[in-house]
This record gives sequence, structure tokens and C-alpha cells, in this order.
Amino acid sequence: AQTVTQSQPEMSVQEAETVTLSCTYDTSESDYYLFWYKQPPSRQMILVIRQEAYKQQNATENRFSVNFQKAAKSFSLKISDSQLGDAAMYFCASLQGAQKLVFGQGTRLTINP
Amino acid sequence: DVKVTQSSRYLVKRTGEKVFLECVQDMDHENMFWYRQDPGLGLRLIYFSYDVKMKEKGDIPEGYSVSREKKERFSLILESASTNQTSMYLCASSGGLTQYFGPGTRLTVL
Repeated sequence: AQTVTQSQPEMSVQEAETVTLSCTYDTSESDYYLFWYKQPPSRQMILVIRQEAYKQQNATENRFSVNFQKAAKSFSLKISDSQLGDAAMYFCASLQGAQKLVFGQGTRLTINP
Repeated sequence: DVKVTQSSRYLVKRTGEKVFLECVQDMDHENMFWYRQDPGLGLRLIYFSYDVKMKEKGDIPEGYSVSREKKERFSLILESASTNQTSMYLCASSGGLTQYFGPGTRLTVL
């Protein structure tokens, strides 16, 4: 079975600084997808970024980028120029089988003004 | 934009009650999911459905059932609510790789 581990329950960063959230996963699949989802306080979970395992190039979405290390089974999220609106719970997830997402425990990110 | 709605944001029920949580999506997605979210545990899959009247157990189906009579609607049923089912329940739908989530229902069982 796939597992996803986020070892940082909480992180904080100064506004405008850069922060990296860690995620490791375990899978026996050869083809899979990895995701970072964001859940702002009292708001809906939304997709931040997605990485296809067969792609060597790291995915980037504006200020959000990933460091995908396939051999190490590591998938960290880097947030550059942190903004107050980035404060949220962040979940790392992997897609198992056809549609089953497996989530990590989550990291609560606080942005200090 | 994809819209996934859930019938209640907050719900308080008593032990032994039958509880229905409703989820509706407006994007004609084939796949729908129910998760529960608990601190330190992330999201865990309860049930999912890949077509009308089709369902599959997720990782924690015990104490729950589901119903999908129409493509846009997926219901989660707690046959006899217990205090250990106090949690946040999230519904999601997808037509491809990305899942779109509803706002969640925070259920308290007293």
C-alpha cells in the first residue's frame, strides 16, 4: 500500500521569505502522480501543484515549485515570496491506482507579518 | 469553475442517530469520494464511487455506507452514529486526475 509522510506538523515563515515543506512517499507503482493541496482556514481544499512521476522536470506554478526526487521518494514544496494568504494546512498526496488519493498528515503553515 | 457543495457546514447529532451527509457536484464528474479529516491523520478515504449505483470501499468504511442514485449526488450515511465518528467530512469529485473538494461538514456526535 502507498504511504505518504509529512514530518513537519507546523512550519512558520516571515512574509516575503521562502519556505520548504517536506513530503516523502512510498509506492510500488511505476506510474503515479503527486499533489500538493492547500486548505485555508474555514475554506475549501484546493490544488496547488501536481507532478507526474514520469516527468523529470520539476513542476512550477507561479511562486510554488516542487523538488521531486524520484529515487529518494521525496516531493517537497517550495513557496517563494510568502504572502499572508499562503497561511493554510498543506497536504501532500499521491494517486494510487485509478483514482485513490493517499494523503499525508498535513503541515500547518503560519506566515508572520 | 467546478462546484462541490455539501448539505451542512456544521452538524450535531446524538449517539445512535442515523445521519445523512449529502454532496452535490455540478461538473458531470464520474468519480466522487468521501473522506474524513482528523488532526494528525490527514484525510482518509471512506468510500468512493466511479459511476451511478457503483461504490467501492476505501480505507475506513466500517460504520459507514453510501448511496449514489444520480451522477451529481453522493451521500454518506452513518447508520448509527457513535462518538468516534465526530470528525470533519470532506466530499470530492473528479473527472480526471485532480479532485475538487467541497467545504466540508464538521460533525459532532454527542
